[in-house]
Amino acid sequence: DAKTTQPTSMDCAEGRAANLPCNHSTISGNEYVYWYRQIHSQGPQYIIHGLKNNETNEMASLIITEDRKSSTLILPHATLRDTAVYYCIVRVASGGTSYGKLTFGQGTILTVHP
Amino acid sequence: DAGVIQSPRHEVTEMGQEVTLRCKPISGHDYLFWYRQTMMRGLELLIYFNNNVPIDDSGMPEDRFSAKMPNASFSTLKIQPSEPRDSAVYFCASSSSSRQYFGPGTRLLVL
Repeated sequence: DAKTTQPTSMDCAEGRAANLPCNHSTISGNEYVYWYRQIHSQGPQYIIHGLKNNETNEMASLIITEDRKSSTLILPHATLRDTAVYYCIVRVASGGTSYGKLTFGQGTILTVHP
Repeated sequence: DAGVIQSPRHEVTEMGQEVTLRCKPISGHDYLFWYRQTMMRGLELLIYFNNNVPIDDSGMPEDRFSAKMPNASFSTLKIQPSEPRDSAVYFCASSSSSRQYFGPGTRLLVL
């Protein structure tokens, strides 16, 4: 799986949008971009994923650049409960022994403050 | 659905003892994953199963670790003998698609 690069930490004011960047310049054509987060002492939680089009769900939006070498996770109205470690992961779409694998990096520690 | 269930939630044991961690995946999921998380190494995949069959165990640290999935609703991760460096949080996750659902984890401390 392609390697990802994320900032170590970011801050955001409550109620504002949090924009978390991720670089994945070696991504392959059959690899998706996934985002998970881990709130302190809990298991990781799926947020969103995409291949090349922008995606939105009830939690967040995912913007993937046209060349697919980077992406941004957007939390439109951050709350204190969004304070967590956010992981950007690149993973093959289907097939092969690596299909199921998620390789977690160090992630971005997002702190939402009042 | 109750989600992924792990037991025990906390385990304290002495070096040399056998430790067994348990996981019940979400019903209907055909993939099951075991991860380990430490401050030094982050979150690492140890092994995963598809339809109860181990697919990739390349992350299992050594022979002291073993994992089984005797049926679709139960998996165990066993450490024998345990060592202090095995102290970590162990997560189980399951999936039926591209999205993985994680359990609350078992916090293991080996003294």
